[in-house]
Amino acid sequence: KAGVTQTPRYLIKTRGQQVTLSCSPISGHRSVSWYQQTPGQGLQFLFEYFSETQRNKGNFPGRFSGRQFSNSRSEMNVSTLELGDSALYLCASSFSLGQVTGELFFGEGSRLTVL
Amino acid sequence: AQSVTQPDIHITVSEGASLELRCNYSYGATPYLFWYVQSPGQGLQLLLKYFSGDTLVQGIKGFEAEFKRSQSSFNLRKPSVHWSDAAEYFCAVAPGEEAGTALIFGKGTTLSVSS
Repeated sequence: KAGVTQTPRYLIKTRGQQVTLSCSPISGHRSVSWYQQTPGQGLQFLFEYFSETQRNKGNFPGRFSGRQFSNSRSEMNVSTLELGDSALYLCASSFSLGQVTGELFFGEGSRLTVL
Repeated sequence: AQSVTQPDIHITVSEGASLELRCNYSYGATPYLFWYVQSPGQGLQLLLKYFSGDTLVQGIKGFEAEFKRSQSSFNLRKPSVHWSDAAEYFCAVAPGEEAGTALIFGKGTTLSVSS
């Protein structure tokens, strides 16, 4: 079956702009999580959505937001971009029913460069 | 605060040699522990996970890991490394059952395989 699909794969923005990233999970998966990956901070959890509700949120400013649609597809948005937002943004889906299941299926990521 | 430490940033192993990647975690209760692998330009793939029970867990691609509570460690091993194992390896912990998909990742260990 098809894996996790993230679009766009690469994008370049300038400071102050906003960006929207999209994630289509594996069919049947209801949980979508987002992670930010940078050389300095590594992988950091942004948020998780399950059945259109944000279930968990990491320690990121309010400029980072997300949502999930009824078909489980998810988007994340970063407003007022800063240079430090340059990163690989990874989406992961899982067949989570609320507890830790462990197996996150990751997409290839969206690489954002902020100039 | 919960944390994961991977002491080795970069390891080089000869093809056919054994491998051990170190991981130490900081968490009061019994953690849920994972090892993920990331090949260049790819998302992360789960190698194995430990929730409870037998402290030696087997994973995919011939990897295994041993949970040692007394040392707060969860080291990854492979008896014979193949060139295709060159990648970045991440240890992760879920701090409790309610963590859902909010994993805490180590900074990663890059594995190079020499011929």
